[in-house]
Amino acid sequence: AQSVTQLDSQVPVFEEAPVELRCNYSSSVSVYLFWYVQYPNQGLQLLLKYLSGSTLVKGINGFEAEFNKSQTSFHLRKPSVHISDTAEYFCAVNGGYNKLIFGAGTRLAVHP
Amino acid sequence: GAVVSQHPSWVICKSGTSVKIECRSLDFQATTMFWYRQFPKQSLMLMATSNEGSKATYEQGVEKDKFLINHASLTLSTLTVTSAHPEDSSFYICSARVPGQAYNEQFFGPGTRLTVL
Repeated sequence: AQSVTQLDSQVPVFEEAPVELRCNYSSSVSVYLFWYVQYPNQGLQLLLKYLSGSTLVKGINGFEAEFNKSQTSFHLRKPSVHISDTAEYFCAVNGGYNKLIFGAGTRLAVHP
Repeated sequence: GAVVSQHPSWVICKSGTSVKIECRSLDFQATTMFWYRQFPKQSLMLMATSNEGSKATYEQGVEKDKFLINHASLTLSTLTVTSAHPEDSSFYICSARVPGQAYNEQFFGPGTRLTVL
């Protein structure tokens, strides 16, 4: 069965500092991985996705993630965060029957 | 492209009434849509998969008679919360899958905040 573990429920960081949000997955089918961002009272917006090919994936807003098959990880990184990056971030893996399996989420809080 | 809208964005209703939430794919046809529920500071919980022209598939523990789903066209799915009670208060989010994709990328609506008094 597919599952996603986001290792940090909250990540506080100062503005302009680098950040890494961790995600580990388990899957018995072809792995497609996604990172979504959710701002307060809004739906989810796709940041980036890994389908195949290069293990380093670049997304919107300066985020990137690296797919590591041996460690079953798909950590999200940004070299320099802004106040506007404060949001909830969800990692997801494709499940059976066209479903997405979401992690519990990581709240990124960027402080001035 | 791949924009999904929801209406209303928020609704307040009295206990015992029914509430309908609409989910529309604006620039693509979605044979499959999904309905999620999200409690404060929690992840999304899949409630059901809505398939155009057929019955929805509900997740275990979701009451299909309480959460009625209709996917009457390729661009519209509706979720009706029947006889709503305060415990049904939540953030409801729909998503749609672009047909033909193998990797299940979903495009999400902005969500509907339901408050039952």
